[in-house]
Amino acid sequence: SYVLTQPPSVSVAPGQTARITCGGDNIGSNSVHWYQQKSGQAPVLVVYDNTDRSPGIPERFSGSNSGNTATLTISRAEAGDEADYYCQVWDTLSDPLCVFGTGTKVTV
Amino acid sequence: VQLQQSGPGLVKPSQTLSLTCAISGDTVSSIDSTWNWIRWSPSRGLEWLGRTYYRTTWSYDYAGFLKSRITIKSDTSRNQFSLQLVSVTPEDTAVYYCARDYPFPGWLDPWGQGILVTVSS
Repeated sequence: SYVLTQPPSVSVAPGQTARITCGGDNIGSNSVHWYQQKSGQAPVLVVYDNTDRSPGIPERFSGSNSGNTATLTISRAEAGDEADYYCQVWDTLSDPLCVFGTGTKVTV
Repeated sequence: VQLQQSGPGLVKPSQTLSLTCAISGDTVSSIDSTWNWIRWSPSRGLEWLGRTYYRTTWSYDYAGFLKSRITIKSDTSRNQFSLQLVSVTPEDTAVYYCARDYPFPGWLDPWGQGILVTVSS
């Protein structure tokens, strides 16, 4: 199966920049989607197709994807950004077809 | 598009977990979407369980680790889809979500509200 590896936690000071990585074999050839899950809530789409922000998501959130690493960047971090973040890809050669990263807890 | 989940929050070991996801704003037979079940637990994070979708016929894909225990069904008359997981154990305790994948293969949005299912006697 295809494995996506994320750091368990990232800590950022308010107003600073947080970078969450998602590592996978040649992930740059996939479309990567990012989800934010606040405590006790359903996941919410943040970035899709590597770089596109979901409607209503602040411009402070941005994504990139190249080589073996995709990255979600949160600029000017706010207390409200505290959540777990998951990357996700579809891989028709993998079981399961839909693969989530291991998740990163962001603390502001 | 909105997804509304329903089903019991407590299931006994060895019994069957059954959940339903009602769709509004789209149709379960849409050729641009797939309809997915995902679960979350603190120890395993998000796990994709399976999906159903319609093109010229109905198709179903399941995660291999569940393949012998899972069934996903679609109900066009009620515009909903369902999850059945048989022979549950405490390891199946999780929050279960439904979600739309659009445009296929795309991103999972929106998600249902989630239902915590506890497997316990």
